[in-house]
Amino acid sequence: GAVVSQHPSWVICKSGTSVKIECRSLDFQATTMFWYRQFPKQSLMLMATSNEGSKATYEQGVEKDKFLINHASLTLSTLTVTSAHPEDSSFYICSARDWGGLAGGAKQYFGPGTRLTVT
Amino acid sequence: AQKITQTQPGMFVQEKEAVTLDCTYDTSDQSYGLFWYKQPSSGEMIFLIYQGSYDEQNATEGRYSLNFQKARKSANLVISASQLGDSAMYFCAMREGPADSWGKLQFGAGTQVVVTP
Repeated sequence: GAVVSQHPSWVICKSGTSVKIECRSLDFQATTMFWYRQFPKQSLMLMATSNEGSKATYEQGVEKDKFLINHASLTLSTLTVTSAHPEDSSFYICSARDWGGLAGGAKQYFGPGTRLTVT
Repeated sequence: AQKITQTQPGMFVQEKEAVTLDCTYDTSDQSYGLFWYKQPSSGEMIFLIYQGSYDEQNATEGRYSLNFQKARKSANLVISASQLGDSAMYFCAMREGPADSWGKLQFGAGTQVVVTP
């Protein structure tokens, strides 16, 4: 199956600083990537849809100025948490659509996630 | 309103037994897709199985099968011959719209499965 990587796998930062998380599709081109966040023992909540070469589409309630998304190439999307605060501490997961896969399946492949802790 | 409902927060199952994880969904779209993912403690999301709304046969992938009952809007996951490595959180998810649409997934709350020897 297709592989999606995320970097870093975990990060600790101080309150007020910014953190950038990278999501890469390693063996396929991903025109569409998604960013999710997951709090402990909870489900995944979609934050935004990232499209290569255009602005991201944010879900209701997600601050676009706080969570900056850039999808500059067909294999890379980045999420920058600006002026991070302790309440931003969470597990951030990206996924990428493999449009070249089964037409009916249109599978989404997930990255391994990034655990962010803001102190 | 909740689009995906998983009513079982946790389940214990004995090794080699079969287990059924419930999932009901709510959509007015005619074209949609249903997914099951497994999330072990490491956090990665592992794709298990997919069912399209127009697929007439229930999807199967190895030990995983999806019991798709369209009229009841349910998409239960059946894991046969459970193994210790199956212990994980399992999420049901839905994509509304056809396969070539944006493809946003909405996830259920998840079911924690613990397989015991």
